[in-house]
Parts: sequence; C-alpha cells; structure tokens
Amino acid sequence: DIQMTQSPSSLSASVGDRVTITCRASQTISSYLNWYQQKPGKVPKLLIYAASTLQSGVPSRFSGSGSGTDFTLTISSLQPEDFATYYCQQSHITPSTFGQGTRLEIK
Amino acid sequence: QVQLVQSGAEVKKPGASVKVSCKASGYTFTDHYIHWVRQAPGQGLEWMGVISPSGGGTSYAQKLQVRLTMTRDTSTSTVFMELNSLRSEDTAVYYCTRDGRAMGVFDYWGQGTLVTVSS
Repeated sequence: DIQMTQSPSSLSASVGDRVTITCRASQTISSYLNWYQQKPGKVPKLLIYAASTLQSGVPSRFSGSGSGTDFTLTISSLQPEDFATYYCQQSHITPSTFGQGTRLEIK
Repeated sequence: QVQLVQSGAEVKKPGASVKVSCKASGYTFTDHYIHWVRQAPGQGLEWMGVISPSGGGTSYAQKLQVRLTMTRDTSTSTVFMELNSLRSEDTAVYYCTRDGRAMGVFDYWGQGTLVTVSS
C-alpha cells in the first residue's frame, strides 16, 4: 500500500497567518492527491482534488500544489472557521490511503 | 441536492455482524461509485472498499476482505456495508461517500454511523 505522511502532525497559528501543510507519498502518485477538512464531530469535506483543483464552493484562500510524491496545501490567510484537521488522500492506486492528519489549532 | 443518508448507530457484541445502509438521492445512482471509509475514535480515516452501483462490482481493503461485503439495491438507490466477526477494534464511525469523478475523489459524504463493539 502507498503510505501518505503529513507534516506537521499539529500546528498552532493565528487568524490571518499563511499556513502550509505538506503531504508525501511513499511512491509516485502523479497528481492523484486530494485534500479534506474535518471539524470535530463533523463529516470530512473535500477541499482540493487532483492536487490543485479547488472543489466548487471552497474559498480561494485554499490552494494545493505538487505532483509525484510531494504535495502542499496552503491557506493564504487563516480564518476562524479554518481551524480543523486536514487529511491528504491518494487515489492513484487501490487501496486509497490517507495521511494521518494535521490538526490546525488557534494560537 | 445530493444526499447520502445512513442508518442509525449500532451496538454489537464481539463476533456479531453489522449491516449499515446508505441511501442516495439527488443524482443518478448508477453514475457514481460508492466508497466506505471508517474512523476509529480520535483516529484518522481508513478506506474500506468500493462498490459500483451499476454493476455491483466491489473491491475491498485486503485487511477486511474476508469479513466485508458491500451490496446495492438499485430499486431503492441504497448501498449496504456488512462487516462480520466484529472485534473491539472495529468500533468506529462508518461513512459512505460518493466518488464524484471516478478518480477516488470523495465529494459527498453520508452523516456517518457509529458502530460500537463491546461485550
């Protein structure tokens, strides 16, 4: 199975900060990388698919980049509603696998 | 609007089976694969498997293959996930999720079903 490793595992930041989360795949996955946001007690929400395509309705402060094995999710200016856990997911090879999550907390 | 509505919470004893349903609406049921993802308490997301609503074909995570069965009923636009020989480590929230682009991109999710395995 492809292993997905996110860093950092947790992150403290302030409203207005620029934040970057990294996801690394154990083998190349082209651009088959998706990002999800999950708030406590809530259902995961798709943010970005195919590494860099913003899902409809997602604010433009979210962006994604990368290909091959290294990917990033960037939030350009943190808003209060962005404090959540973020997961990357590879959909290149079955079984699909998720990163362990990055918990974004308020500083 | 697209909706995936799952059945309610379950409490099961070790060794029992659980069957969770996921009723789809707001789109053509047979046009999109349905995946199941679970999340143990305080843990991350784990992909379990996928079913094609049109043909019924399935693919399961290897670690669950012998205990997991996914089926569908096209007449009611419902997908079912059955997990047998339950263990305490199967305690989790189980989600069904729609593959929006046939690329393993999960664009809509059910509300989740908590399955608790406890003696």
